[in-house]
Amino acid sequence: DADVTQTPRNRITKTGKRIMLECSQTKGHDRMYWYRQDPGLGLRLIYYSFDVKDINKGEISDGYSVSRQAQAKFSLSLESAIPNQTALYFCATSDPRVEKLFFGSGTQLSVL
Amino acid sequence: GQSLEQPSEVTAVEGAIVQINCTYQTSGFYGLSWYQQHDGGAPTFLSYNALDGLEETGRFSSFLSRSDSYGYLLLQELQMKDSASYFCAVKEGTDKLIFGTGTRLQVFP
Repeated sequence: DADVTQTPRNRITKTGKRIMLECSQTKGHDRMYWYRQDPGLGLRLIYYSFDVKDINKGEISDGYSVSRQAQAKFSLSLESAIPNQTALYFCATSDPRVEKLFFGSGTQLSVL
Repeated sequence: GQSLEQPSEVTAVEGAIVQINCTYQTSGFYGLSWYQQHDGGAPTFLSYNALDGLEETGRFSSFLSRSDSYGYLLLQELQMKDSASYFCAVKEGTDKLIFGTGTRLQVFP
């Protein structure tokens, strides 16, 4: 079983719809992250959280919100999706004792 | 603000050695990481340098010069399976990792 699980793997939605991407982990890590990947732009940090009561904005948080429901769960929401939010989204976790991110398999989101 | 620069594409043949450079401009630098991503896959961790010098892990090595704001990933004895994108990433402060735009490595027979 994957240590960091993202659902769904693929999603097609329409402009203006609300959508939630979910991430769960079994690694026991406190730190969780959401990244967005676009061709030629690398990975850009959207939001990150160091525990259930801690939420921080990343480089590109506008148009997104997050919820840390439990240590193991970190969800990303698009309140009103727009076409330029079409991208590959990755959730990741880390252990501060080890300088290493563990990524989920990604969610490919298409906004039409 | 922060910025990282790395070449967009590098090509090499099997068995060769290739070096992927990364220069960065950032505040609160803590360390430089490298990640590998195959097409359709998730990024996976390769190495982390917090101090100047060379770190070796099998066929892969990573180097950091903090005074030059520069690092590189060295891949030796290239194999076809090394064809992938490679990202450098800077740890800013104690909390977040900022990624470069990636270098696509193509290995030819």
